[in-house]
Amino acid sequence: QVQLVQSGAEVKKPGASVKVSCKASGYMFTYYYIHWVRQAPGQGLEWMGWINPKSGGTNYAQRFQGRVTMTRDTSISTVYMELSRLRSDDTAVYYCVRDQAKQLFDYWGQGTLVTVSS
Amino acid sequence: VMTQSPATLSVSPGERATLSCRASQSVSSNLAWYQHKPGQAPRLLIYDASTRATSIPARFSGSGSGTEFTLTISSLQSEDFAVYYCQQYDNWPPLTFGGGTKVEIK
Repeated sequence: QVQLVQSGAEVKKPGASVKVSCKASGYMFTYYYIHWVRQAPGQGLEWMGWINPKSGGTNYAQRFQGRVTMTRDTSISTVYMELSRLRSDDTAVYYCVRDQAKQLFDYWGQGTLVTVSS
Repeated sequence: VMTQSPATLSVSPGERATLSCRASQSVSSNLAWYQHKPGQAPRLLIYDASTRATSIPARFSGSGSGTEFTLTISSLQSEDFAVYYCQQYDNWPPLTFGGGTKVEIK
């Protein structure tokens, strides 16, 4: 069955970087785009961008441009999302999600809580 | 910008729930609904405004086009109490979600 398994919770200081991994299984890794979506405490869902696992091409939301980097390692069917220059308002649960087609999200990772605190 | 209303909806089990989502500009029928329960990942319910996703019960239905959309749950079951988000995928990037409607037990 399709699974997206994310790395564990992180605690970071302001100004640091965090890198979250998302390992895919149960389907052809290069066939589906992976997006990253986050949810801050008490807030709604916020789209961060996508990566094409086949080509490595990316598309980031403008508000994260310059701070986010999405990469992949096809040999282990894993995508990564790195967010730099962390601020307290980056505290959120970060999800990787599979794009079934047309930017619709059919499978989600379990979420990774990133806490930014001094 | 996607705006959902109401923010909270109090409904008794077995009753009908009607949730609204409004887009600041037309998104045609490129609108999806997700259900999100605490501690779980969101689940795709409806796409293309009115098409149920795989394995979604028939009590969930979506309607609308352009800027006004509705998600209807015909007879609320205990497992339906959750937060519901709409998402547009017409004008992007960025993909955008509404702020959510929490459906709670009355």
